[in-house]
Amino acid sequence: DAKTTQPNSMESNEEEPVHLPCNHSTISGTDYIHWYRQLPSQGPEYVIHGLTSNVNNRMASLAIAEDRKSSTLILHRATLRDAAVYYCILRGSSSNTGKLIFGQGTTLQVKP
Amino acid sequence: DAGVIQSPRHEVTEMGQEVTLRCKPISGHNSLFWYRQTMMRGLELLIYFNNNVPIDDSGMPEDRFSAKMPNASFSTLKIQPSEPRDSAVYFCASSLILLAGGEQFFGPGTRLTVL
Repeated sequence: DAKTTQPNSMESNEEEPVHLPCNHSTISGTDYIHWYRQLPSQGPEYVIHGLTSNVNNRMASLAIAEDRKSSTLILHRATLRDAAVYYCILRGSSSNTGKLIFGQGTTLQVKP
Repeated sequence: DAGVIQSPRHEVTEMGQEVTLRCKPISGHNSLFWYRQTMMRGLELLIYFNNNVPIDDSGMPEDRFSAKMPNASFSTLKIQPSEPRDSAVYFCASSLILLAGGEQFFGPGTRLTVL
């Protein structure tokens, strides 16, 4: 499985946008980019995923570089509830089993 | 929908005892995953099932661990005998696999402490 690299931690102020980067230089053409987050004392939850085009949903936006070697998760207005560990994961489509390999993720701290 | 249900939520046992963790996936999902999370190793995939069949158990740490899925609505993860290093939070997740877009839904986890 291709590997992702994320900063260990980031800080943000409440109600400001947050850009969480992820590098995946060895991504293959069929790998999807998935983001999950884990709030304190909870199980991970799905945030967003994409293949080539930028994606938006009610939680966040995903900006994917043209060469697909990096991506950015964008939280448009951070709230205190967004403080969590954010995981960037590559998932291949060659085997449709849904296997996810979690790295260490980025711990996001949101300050009031 | 109640989401993925795990029981018990907390388990404290003594070394050498058998431990059974239970999971009820979301109705209609065809894949089920067991994960373990510790501070040292993070979130690790132990085993997953597609249509009740174990597909990959390469993450199961050793023979003391076993998992079953007798039907589409129930799975167990058993540790026998348990050891203190098995102390962790165990998560179950389910998904409806459609190519590579099926998101996984996680349960609240079982916090296991082995004394």
